[in-house]
Amino acid sequence: DTGVSQDPRHKITKRGQNVTFRCDPISEHNRLYWYRQTLGQGPEFLTYFQNEAQLEKSRLLSDRFSAERPKGSFSTLEIQRTEQGDSAMYLCASSLIGWTDGYTFGSGTRLTVV
Amino acid sequence: QQQVKQSPQSLIVQKGGIPIINCAYENTAFDYFPWYQQFPGKGPALLIAIRPDVSEKKEGRFTISFNKSAKQFSLHIMDSQPGDSATYFCAACQSGAAGNKLTFGGGTRVLVKP
Repeated sequence: DTGVSQDPRHKITKRGQNVTFRCDPISEHNRLYWYRQTLGQGPEFLTYFQNEAQLEKSRLLSDRFSAERPKGSFSTLEIQRTEQGDSAMYLCASSLIGWTDGYTFGSGTRLTVV
Repeated sequence: QQQVKQSPQSLIVQKGGIPIINCAYENTAFDYFPWYQQFPGKGPALLIAIRPDVSEKKEGRFTISFNKSAKQFSLHIMDSQPGDSATYFCAACQSGAAGNKLTFGGGTRVLVKP
């Protein structure tokens, strides 16, 4: 599979628990993005990495959220002390620096906080 | 702060009809305008994209029209088929700016009846 892979596809958690999602980008892509999509809305930018460096974080990314891309390959997004408002689809995308054709999204991780 | 406004929210057409989805943007620094197609449970997939130096672009049955002075662009789906039933998102990006972040519209649910 040469696409962007995300794991798990679905996660149900109780409020207050911590969750971690994983994204495996297309192997040669050096940029990796996280977006959040709530029901009936378009995706919203959360953060992005260029290789292993996290270069920008959105105001949406509160201090309960942390993302890593330790070796410039896969990335993890952790949410601590989850709240019901965190329920959303978390999308990962990857691209090459200097792309001209946009980037490729994964199928997302659907988080439900109960 | 919604920088890309998309309309309508939903659209129903008969097979063979031409759904038209409109988007308007505010940031004149945007210079890349992609459209994404999303099926339930999947991530957005790039459909077609345009840059402001052209007024129209066609790829198969999909056409983007772009009006730079009005800061508007639209997607036309020619000879629509039931398999085109999906949610469509317009987006905009300031390419070359840090990260090439996409700003998405709110989405349009298109239903093509057989």
